[in-house]
Amino acid sequence: AQRVTQPEKLLSVFKGAPVELKCNYSYSGSPELFWYVQYSRQRLQLLLRHISRESIKGFTADLNKGETSFHLKKPFAQEEDSAMYYCASLNRDDKIIFGKGTRLHILP
Amino acid sequence: GAVVSQHPSWVICKSGTSVKIECRSLDFQATTMFWYRQFPKQSLMLMATSNEGSKATYEQGVEKDKFLINHASLTLSTLTVTSAHPEDSSFYICSAVGNTIYFGEGSWLTVV
Repeated sequence: AQRVTQPEKLLSVFKGAPVELKCNYSYSGSPELFWYVQYSRQRLQLLLRHISRESIKGFTADLNKGETSFHLKKPFAQEEDSAMYYCASLNRDDKIIFGKGTRLHILP
Repeated sequence: GAVVSQHPSWVICKSGTSVKIECRSLDFQATTMFWYRQFPKQSLMLMATSNEGSKATYEQGVEKDKFLINHASLTLSTLTVTSAHPEDSSFYICSAVGNTIYFGEGSWLTVV
């Protein structure tokens, strides 16, 4: 079965330090992968998708098929980055399967 | 940008009653919508796929008679929780497929 794994429930990082949120997937075909962010009391928002290869709010994520990973990275954390981050995979039926999420807490 | 709206945002209902949650795509048509539920501090769990003009497809373990889904038009899908019980209390989120997938703001259901 298709699965998305985010091993860290909580990640605390000092402001200005690099951030890496881990995501691993299991999918036999070519996955389409996303990162979603949920700020406090707001709706889920698309942060980035691997096919567009863009950088949003300083975040990037590279699909590594060898490691089946799609880790989210940012070189310098900002306080407004504190949020819940979900890695997700889109399968052939257009179903998005989510990881359990990682809460990112930026320390001042 | 494309917006998906859910109504109501908050609802409290008595145990045994039914409650309907609406999901609307406001400026695009969506043949496919998804319903998720999210328990506190947990991830989103896909409940069902709602297809316009046909029956919804439910994920394993989700009772279709309990969670009735109707996708009567290209802009509206409804989730009805029938004979609600306290364990149905949760955060329900819909999403709609446009040029990407857009999420509603979610609906809090509390069954007392």
